[in-house]
Amino acid sequence: GAVVSQHPSRVICKSGTSVKIECRSLDFQATTMFWYRQFPKQSLMLMATSNEGSKATYEQGVEKDKFLINHASLTLSTLTVTSAHPEDSSFYICSARVAGRAYTEAFFGQGTRLTVV
Amino acid sequence: AQTVTQSQPEMSVQEAETVTLSCTYDTSENNYYLFWYKQPPSRQMILVIRQEAYKQQNATENRFSVNFQKAAKSFSLKISDSQLGDTAMYFCAFMNINTGGFKTIFGAGTRLFVKA
Repeated sequence: GAVVSQHPSRVICKSGTSVKIECRSLDFQATTMFWYRQFPKQSLMLMATSNEGSKATYEQGVEKDKFLINHASLTLSTLTVTSAHPEDSSFYICSARVAGRAYTEAFFGQGTRLTVV
Repeated sequence: AQTVTQSQPEMSVQEAETVTLSCTYDTSENNYYLFWYKQPPSRQMILVIRQEAYKQQNATENRFSVNFQKAAKSFSLKISDSQLGDTAMYFCAFMNINTGGFKTIFGAGTRLFVKA
């Protein structure tokens, strides 16, 4: 199957700083990537859809200025949590769909555990 | 908007036994995919099985099979010959093919414990 790599796997940052999370498709091109947030023992909540070369589409209730998404190439999308606060601490997961294949599931990265102290 | 409902927060099964996880969904679309994902303690999402809505035949992957009832909007997962390694969180998921940008929407999850 297709491989999606997410980096870093864990990050601790101070309150008020920004942190960037990378999502890479290693062996395929991805025109669309998705960012999810998962609280402990809860489900994955879709935050935004990242489209290569265009602005991300955010789900209702997600602050676009807080969670900046950039999808500059067909293999890389980044999520930047700006001015992070302890309530932003969570598990963030990305997924990517193979470009040009309509009927396929998305492939998931291994996730990033963000802790804001 | 689509919704996915998993009404069993936790389930347990004895090793080698069979267990069924329930899932219902709501959509007005006709063309979509349904999935079951496994999330072990590592939290890596692993695709267990996929069902295309246009296919009447239930999908099967080794010990995993589904009961897809399109009219009832039901999509249950049966795990046969349960193994200790099946202990994990299981998420039912829906992907809209026609509209919605191929987003995958997840249910709340069912935590499955396989007992030795």
